Amino acid sequence: GAGVSQSPRYKVAKRGQDVALRCDPISGHVSLFWYQQALGQGPEFLTYFQNEAQLDKSGLPSDRFFAERPEGSVSTLKIQRTQQEDSAVYLCASSLSAHKETQYFGPGTRLLVL
Amino acid sequence: GESVGLHLPTLSVQEGDNSIINCAYSNSASDYFIWYKQESGKGPQFIIDIRSNMDKRQGQRVTVLLNKTVKHLSLQIAATQPGDSAVYFCAEITYNQGGKLIFGQGTELSVKP
Repeated sequence: GAGVSQSPRYKVAKRGQDVALRCDPISGHVSLFWYQQALGQGPEFLTYFQNEAQLDKSGLPSDRFFAERPEGSVSTLKIQRTQQEDSAVYLCASSLSAHKETQYFGPGTRLLVL
Repeated sequence: GESVGLHLPTLSVQEGDNSIINCAYSNSASDYFIWYKQESGKGPQFIIDIRSNMDKRQGQRVTVLLNKTVKHLSLQIAATQPGDSAVYFCAEITYNQGGKLIFGQGTELSVKP
């Protein structure tokens, strides 16, 4: 079956613009995670969903970041009024259940804010 | 997480040699550890995992060792191949902190043919 997919793969935004990043998890996966990866660093946790419930958003860096998963499948990460420091790769991962730890990652969306 | 600067540690090995990649993790209460491989332009790819009640686990060409006393994790790759060239990250999960992965410092593995 298909893995985790993300779109767009690349996004260039002018500072101040809003962006929306999409994640399609593996079908049937209950848990969905968003991570932010700066250049040369490891991914850092942003937020976590179990089905449609957002159980942990402690990693979101500011109130400009918002994530949703309204039907418990596709998720969208929205960044409002983008800043240059938001430039990074945004990774989505999904896992089969809340207790199944293996997370499978998508290819990421590379965001560049000019 | 253990964020580091822009310059990843690099390990350069000859094709066919064995590679050992090391990682220091942060939380002595972590329950589960995973090694991921990340190639340029791609997301992290699962390699092997180990639970905190184990000290060694073997897969195909890979072995993970866990030393909880010094909070150290290592990944051994046997007969390294050019296709193994990538950045390798260790990650940890603490169950009472949810399922989020805390990534350690990455290591760039370069395999010379």
